[in-house]
Amino acid sequence: LAKTTQPISMDSYEGQEVNITCSHNNIATNDYITWYQQFPSQGPRFIIQGYKTKVTNEVASLFIPADRKSSTLSLPRVSLSDTAVYYCLVGDGDTGRRALTFGSGTRLQVQP
Amino acid sequence: ETGVTQTPRHLVMGMTNKKSLKCEQHLGHNAMYWYKQSAKKPLELMFVYSLEERVENNSVPSRFSPECPNSSHLFLHLHTLQPEDSALYLCASSQEGTGSYEQYFGPGTRLTVT
Repeated sequence: LAKTTQPISMDSYEGQEVNITCSHNNIATNDYITWYQQFPSQGPRFIIQGYKTKVTNEVASLFIPADRKSSTLSLPRVSLSDTAVYYCLVGDGDTGRRALTFGSGTRLQVQP
Repeated sequence: ETGVTQTPRHLVMGMTNKKSLKCEQHLGHNAMYWYKQSAKKPLELMFVYSLEERVENNSVPSRFSPECPNSSHLFLHLHTLQPEDSALYLCASSQEGTGSYEQYFGPGTRLTVT
C-alpha cells in the first residue's frame, strides 16, 4: 500500500478554513484517497473519499491534483468540535478488500 | 451512534485470565475488522473477515483468537495476554464490492492487562 505523509499537528481558530495536505508519492493507478477523523477514545469516522479532481460533501472538500501525488482536505469554518486527529489513507482499489492502513495522522487543535 | 456496538467498553484482566470482546453490527455489512490502537501509536489492523471467512491476519500473536459466527457478530477471544496488549480495541464493518472505503467503527473496548 502507498505510504502517506502528513503534518503531525496543526493549530487553527474557530471560523477559519483549515487545509491539511497529505503526500502519497507512490500512489497506484487504482488507489483511492480517503480521510478519517478520530476523537479521543473513539473509533475513527469516515469523512470523504476521492480519486481525482475535487470532491465535496456536507462536511469537507477534498482536492486532488492531476498527478495525484498529494491531496488536501479542506474543512470550512472550523469549530472547537473539529479538534481531532485526521488521517489520510490510500487504499488499494484492485483487491476489492477495504482494509485500511492508518498512519500517525494530523492532530488539529482549534482554539476559541 | 454508528450502528456498530462493542461490549464491554472497559475491561481489566490479569495475564492468566480468559476473556472475550464482542462486536455487533446492525448495518447489514458483509465485512468486519478488528483494529488495535495503543497509546500514541497508529491504529493497527489485526483481522479481516469477509463473508464470515477470515481473509487477513496481520501477524497477530496466537493469544488473540477471532471468531465470526455470522455476518453481524465478531468476537475476539483473549488468553494469557501481556501488559503490552493493553490498548483500545476497535471493531469496524463495511460493505465490500461498493467501491467505497467507508468503514463504520464501534466505540471500542479499553483493555487493561495487569
